[in-house]
Amino acid sequence: AAGVIQSPRHLMKEKRETATLKCYPIPRHDTVYWYQQGPGQDPQFLISFYEKMQSDKGSIPDRFSAQQFSDYHSELNMSSLELGDSALYFCASSLSSGGIGTDTQYFGPGTRLTVL
Amino acid sequence: LAKTTQPISMDSYEGQEVNITCSHNNIATNDYITWYQQFPSQGPRFIIQGYKTKVTNEVASLFIPADRKSSTLSLPRVSLSDTAVYYCLVGPLIYNQGGKLIFGQGTELSVKP
Repeated sequence: AAGVIQSPRHLMKEKRETATLKCYPIPRHDTVYWYQQGPGQDPQFLISFYEKMQSDKGSIPDRFSAQQFSDYHSELNMSSLELGDSALYFCASSLSSGGIGTDTQYFGPGTRLTVL
Repeated sequence: LAKTTQPISMDSYEGQEVNITCSHNNIATNDYITWYQQFPSQGPRFIIQGYKTKVTNEVASLFIPADRKSSTLSLPRVSLSDTAVYYCLVGPLIYNQGGKLIFGQGTELSVKP
């Protein structure tokens, strides 16, 4: 079965640079979520989108922005990168049709961002 | 979302049954209990979800007592490949079209030969 695709899988940037992470949800899934997991930390919710509209927001820095496009893929844009932004960034998708079990979130393999 | 408490770590041996208990004293009436598994440097993977009594799938069983203030994830006959972090999450099943998952401190299960 098709899974969530994230690109790139690894990314290395310098401080103050910009990074763009991409997420391609499971086909027919309409909701995308972004999570950040620092070294030795639990995943932390950043932001989510349902039908191309932002639906929930967590502890996402103002330097970060995200959007969901008409084909349901999503991009997380990160500017003025800091050393503390080094983490694994996971995208998850779900089908929010309102039925039982349909909101289960399926996670992608993650993008490892290293800020030097 | 209800706060959950799990053991930080557990050790087991191959072939044993492992039970991981999660406490969620403030669970709400419309909350479900969901367990995720995470291997190092991989995304969390959905294991099982339930509301009350017992749920079983091909991977695990989930036991929920009548008061729903705790739940137990049961992994039958674990193998080395079950070594991972297991997260217990409690929240409304219908996450309101984009609602977040709140990951607390998971249980690091180590399976030894």
